Amino acid sequence: QKEVEQDPGPLSVPEGAIVSLNCTYSNSAFQYFMWYRQYSRKGPELLMYTYSSGNKEDGRFTAQVDKSSKYISLFIRDSQPSDSATYLCAMTPSNTGKLIFGQGTTLQVKP
Amino acid sequence: GAVVSQHPSWVICKSGTSVKIECRSLDFQATTMFWYRQFPKQSLMLMATSNEGSKATYEQGVEKDKFLINHASLTLSTLTVTSAHPEDSSFYICSARDWTGPGELFFGEGSRLTVL
Repeated sequence: QKEVEQDPGPLSVPEGAIVSLNCTYSNSAFQYFMWYRQYSRKGPELLMYTYSSGNKEDGRFTAQVDKSSKYISLFIRDSQPSDSATYLCAMTPSNTGKLIFGQGTTLQVKP
Repeated sequence: GAVVSQHPSWVICKSGTSVKIECRSLDFQATTMFWYRQFPKQSLMLMATSNEGSKATYEQGVEKDKFLINHASLTLSTLTVTSAHPEDSSFYICSARDWTGPGELFFGEGSRLTVL
């Protein structure tokens, strides 16, 4: 069993839709949770960074962490074609620890 | 924001040759840099942690003699793929933490290696 599981998709939605991206994990020691966006042939860029449980909102993006269920989510409101990319979840036990990445979910937002 | 630059962004080489990839932190000093490998439609896998002025720490299963890492300065780490073979073809990405702020991890643009 992988430490971090993420449905690779692809996920295709119409412009303006609400997108839900999810990851599950098995290591209860994970404390820091991140979502990265990666465009084709580019390096990942950090979208959201959450410590422990709870919600965090930044513009159209909301990250949720449910440590009791070992489940994290990223919601994208009013999705745009420019949101089309691969979204990777990542997590680590400590702020300086090794990041464990999910497989990534490919999202396509159609105009 | 902080920027991590990689060079070259893509390289094609013949089997048996060696290829060097550079990773630079452009506006901050990075005592530690990380090298990842990403196959198509796969996640990033950490290969090694590059430490300025000392030996790199390799993840299990990564051949240190195959993937030579040098972190000679606070802004530059290099990854050399020695005697490259077609199975080494991959997307190599470096990252570094900017500790002048909250310690955010910044990634380079990646280097795509194709070994013929």
